[in-house]
Amino acid sequence: EAGVTQFPSHSVIEKGQTVTLRCDPISGHDNLYWYRRVMGKEIKFLLHFVKESKQDESGMPNNRFLAERTGGTYSTLKVQPAELEDSGVYFCASSRDRGNEQFFGPGTRLTVL
Amino acid sequence: AQKVTQAQTEISVVEKEDVTLDCVYETRDTTYYLFWYKQPPSGELVFLIRRNSFDEQNEISGRYSWNFQKSTSSFNFTITASQVVDSAVYFCALSEAYNFNKFYFGSGTKLNVKP
Repeated sequence: EAGVTQFPSHSVIEKGQTVTLRCDPISGHDNLYWYRRVMGKEIKFLLHFVKESKQDESGMPNNRFLAERTGGTYSTLKVQPAELEDSGVYFCASSRDRGNEQFFGPGTRLTVL
Repeated sequence: AQKVTQAQTEISVVEKEDVTLDCVYETRDTTYYLFWYKQPPSGELVFLIRRNSFDEQNEISGRYSWNFQKSTSSFNFTITASQVVDSAVYFCALSEAYNFNKFYFGSGTKLNVKP
């Protein structure tokens, strides 16, 4: 069974540009999550999808961040326009059922210059 | 408020030493889950264990063991006879009954095991 995959693994952009991160969950997992780790701090929850619906987006920092999950399969997280403080590692995770362990991808390291 | 504290930022040990990674949590919920994840150099977080708040029994899995103490709100992780392959960042996490899907992570402890 393939794990959670994320693309790209690393992105370097300039302040003001747009970046789109992609996550492919484990097949059959209806629950998909986005997290972010900034500068060696704790990993923080951003949002949770159940299939294509946003179940909880309480962790989204501001309206420059837009997450979508069309068709309930892969998900994208767009940052527009990017700011310096958006730099960090963005993790995606998926789970089959709510409350179960979440399986994480390798993360996308975003650097905003 | 929910919070997970991993006070040890980085630990270095020599192979075969035992090492304990500390995790202290805060929650107002009486029903919750605690987790440990390992992040090897490849980057992905690897699930190690989940423990619910009603099960304080300690668990052992090979060289790994976990000590859950509700009285001190701690869920510590011990690696016995550490190996170089144990070198990684370890994260402790909490989820609560009102929203089991939202994980609260600590800042992680980087473990360096030297040969």
